[in-house]
Amino acid sequence: EDKVVQSPLSLVVHEGDTVTLNCSYEVTNFRSLLWYKQEKKAPTFLFMLTSSGIEKKSGRLSSILDKKELSSILNITATQTGDSAIYLCAVGGNAGNMLTFGGGTRLMVKP
Amino acid sequence: EPEVTQTPSHQVTQMGQEVILRCVPISNHLYFYWYRQILGQKVEFLVSFYNNEISEKSEIFDDQFSVERPDGSNFTLKIRSTKLEDSAMYFCASNPRPGVEQYFGPGTRLTVT
Repeated sequence: EDKVVQSPLSLVVHEGDTVTLNCSYEVTNFRSLLWYKQEKKAPTFLFMLTSSGIEKKSGRLSSILDKKELSSILNITATQTGDSAIYLCAVGGNAGNMLTFGGGTRLMVKP
Repeated sequence: EPEVTQTPSHQVTQMGQEVILRCVPISNHLYFYWYRQILGQKVEFLVSFYNNEISEKSEIFDDQFSVERPDGSNFTLKIRSTKLEDSAMYFCASNPRPGVEQYFGPGTRLTVT
């Protein structure tokens, strides 16, 4: 059974801090790892990492995939209160298209 | 920017009743999904759908659940006889092809009383 574990469960920081969120996985026939941000309702897509694209960056957010360690990190620099959300890691594996999600990291950024 | 839409945003129903949750995927997408998230728990895969057929389904997706694409735009999830434990947020998602990001709708909160 595919498994995705995220840590920490929750994190409280102050504006301007840098945070690192972790995701580890055990998936049959890994295909991709995705990061989503969940605020009020729907997960919104941040990054997708694959064997051919192990590092992604967008503004203050960046993510790296470590296929040897079966893990990924999501970095957020110069955090803002608008970064407060639950960050979800999901992995696609097997021959199908389904995603297996981790439990999420709840990030709170205080002013 | 195109987005996945879902209706209703909140549905309250009594145990044993049938419910239909509706989704309009992004128009050029061909692969459709339903996920659910019980309050405080992980997002869980239910079913994927392509070319008018179920591609994959999880153990959660038992005989009480069915999906349909009744026309060119809608994608529905039907729960035949709801149970209390079906209370959850149900997300629809879509993508144009396998192996690329899935775009999620805003969800339907289903409350079974």
